Amino acid sequence: DAGITQSPRYKITETGRQVTLMCHQTWSHSYMFWYRQDLGHGLRLIYYSAAADITDKGEVSDGYVVSRSKTENFPLTLESATRSQTSVYFCASGGQGLDQPQHFGDGTRLSIL
Amino acid sequence: EDKVVQSPLSLVVHEGDTVTLNCSYEVTNFRSLLWYKQEKKAPTFLFMLTSSGIEKKSGRLSSILDKKELFSILNITATQTGDSAIYLCAVNSGGSNYKLTFGKGTLLTVNP
Repeated sequence: DAGITQSPRYKITETGRQVTLMCHQTWSHSYMFWYRQDLGHGLRLIYYSAAADITDKGEVSDGYVVSRSKTENFPLTLESATRSQTSVYFCASGGQGLDQPQHFGDGTRLSIL
Repeated sequence: EDKVVQSPLSLVVHEGDTVTLNCSYEVTNFRSLLWYKQEKKAPTFLFMLTSSGIEKKSGRLSSILDKKELFSILNITATQTGDSAIYLCAVNSGGSNYKLTFGKGTLLTVNP
């Protein structure tokens, strides 16, 4: 099915561990984004990518790493997880052009103990 | 720093009521304003507004943008329990990167 899928849907891990969240889209959209959603803060941009091999930081990028070797995939890695990174993570993609909205995946709920 | 403020933060109404949700913004280079509806999972796209004064409409939902006063409203008429959700407003503030700045959302609860 066309769309954007995230995995896993739920993840529990411990502080200090590395964890990778996966995002895959089938629309061939140029742009992909990672957000985190926390109570009281709304959705905040972590990283975004304009194309394969082009990535840039958002407003809350510390502690996160991304890569984009293929257009359709945009994994997000927490190199050494901290409790403050407990959150719901959303991946989104969008085409180029002013009239192209972003479309979101179903999210990954990540708990760090 | 770009800012998007939504009000109210939460709202409880009865089925059949009409509601108006507000979104004001301060951004350096406005390109478009978007509304999303979020139930249990992913935010789903509702409207994109780029021009002042032109209403976008979809069924019982409508939205309008005022670029002079820097705000948008989302109206929902004849509300139903299925309209219960968080409504998110976001602004695309420009450049070639299509980044969105989101407000904190309005939690709408529609009681039967």
